[in-house]
Amino acid sequence: DAKTTQPNSMESNEEEPVHLPCNHSTISGTDYIHWYRQLPSQGPEYVIHGLTSNVNNRMASLAIAEDRKSSTLILHRATLRDAAVYYCINVAGSYQLTFGKGTKLSVIP
Amino acid sequence: DARVTQTPRDKVTEMGQEVTMRCQPILGHNTVFWYRQTMMQGLELLAYFRNRAPLDDSGMPKDRFSAEMPDATLATLKIQPSEPRDSAVYFCASGAGTVNTEAFFGQGTRLTVV
Repeated sequence: DAKTTQPNSMESNEEEPVHLPCNHSTISGTDYIHWYRQLPSQGPEYVIHGLTSNVNNRMASLAIAEDRKSSTLILHRATLRDAAVYYCINVAGSYQLTFGKGTKLSVIP
Repeated sequence: DARVTQTPRDKVTEMGQEVTMRCQPILGHNTVFWYRQTMMQGLELLAYFRNRAPLDDSGMPKDRFSAEMPDATLATLKIQPSEPRDSAVYFCASGAGTVNTEAFFGQGTRLTVV
């Protein structure tokens, strides 16, 4: 799977939007972009995924650059419960899910 | 509400003992993953299976770790003999195995080897 690069940490004020960036310059044409998050003391949980078009679901939005070399996870209104480590993964046909260090998001009340 | 179930949730054992961790994947999922998480190394992929066959276990120390799927409803990860450096949280995950589907993680087994 292609390597992804994320900032180590980010901060956000509660109820403000959060944009979490991810670079994946070596992504292959058929790789999907997946985001997972891990709340404290829990297993990772799926957030969203996409291929080329922007995606929205009840948890977040995913904006994918036109050249697919980067993507941004958007939390529209951060809550304290959104404080977690967010992982961006490129998923190839092998479906091997390899996690990097992710971005630790802190939400300030 | 389908979920991945891991047992035990916590395990404390003495160095040299055998440890077996179990995972029940979500019914119908054909891909099962084992991960180890420590503060230093983060979330490491140890092994993963497709239709009960190992696809990649290169992340697993072969001399003491073994992973199997005796049947479609059970995956096991064994450590024999255990060492203090094996102390970590071990996660199991399952998925449908296609790039446009998500994986579901269990709550993990916290292993402490003293």
